[in-house]
Amino acid sequence: AQKVTQAQTEISVVEKEDVTLDCVYETRDTTYYLFWYKQPPSGELVFLIRRNSFDEQNEISGRYSWNFQKSTSSFNFTITASQVVDSAVYFCALSERETSGSRLTFGEGTQLTVNP
Amino acid sequence: DAGVIQSPRHEVTEMGQEVTLRCKPISGHNSLFWYRQTMMRGLELLIYFNNNVPIDDSGMPEDRFSAKMPNASFSTLKIQPSEPRDSAVYFCASSFFRGNTEAFFGQGTRLTVV
Repeated sequence: AQKVTQAQTEISVVEKEDVTLDCVYETRDTTYYLFWYKQPPSGELVFLIRRNSFDEQNEISGRYSWNFQKSTSSFNFTITASQVVDSAVYFCALSERETSGSRLTFGEGTQLTVNP
Repeated sequence: DAGVIQSPRHEVTEMGQEVTLRCKPISGHNSLFWYRQTMMRGLELLIYFNNNVPIDDSGMPEDRFSAKMPNASFSTLKIQPSEPRDSAVYFCASSFFRGNTEAFFGQGTRLTVV
């Protein structure tokens, strides 16, 4: 069975600091998909990124970057120069098997607070 | 597209009452998911449909929960009778069928059973 672990329950930083959110996953499938979602205080779940298991290229999108390492089963998320608006709960998630659609197993979430 | 639409946004009901949550997926998506979010258990999948057919309902907590998808643009999650421990935020999400696509979530329904 698949599992996603986000060991950091809460992180608090000061604005403009860089912060990395950790995600470790377990799966027996050779093909799988990893995701990050953001849940701001308003409560909705916002998709941030999807990564396929066969593509270990790191990705950068503005202040966001993701480091995928199959050797350590990790998919970490870094926010550079954090801003107060980044305050949210961030979820890492895993989907197995192409035929299952985006059936997601979520981690516990990391509450990020960015203080001014 | 308006995204995934859920109704109601908030529901307060008394224990023992029937509750029906509604979801309209994104047009063209053929997979639909119901998730529940609680402090104790986090985000957990209750049931999902592919092409309107329930594929896996192993996450449905008990027989009091049922879900239907009568057509591609509508799904319901029903709890009867409701209990205080059902209090949670219920999310509906939709995606294309294949696993390498992201799911888009509705705003959620915050259910409180008193």
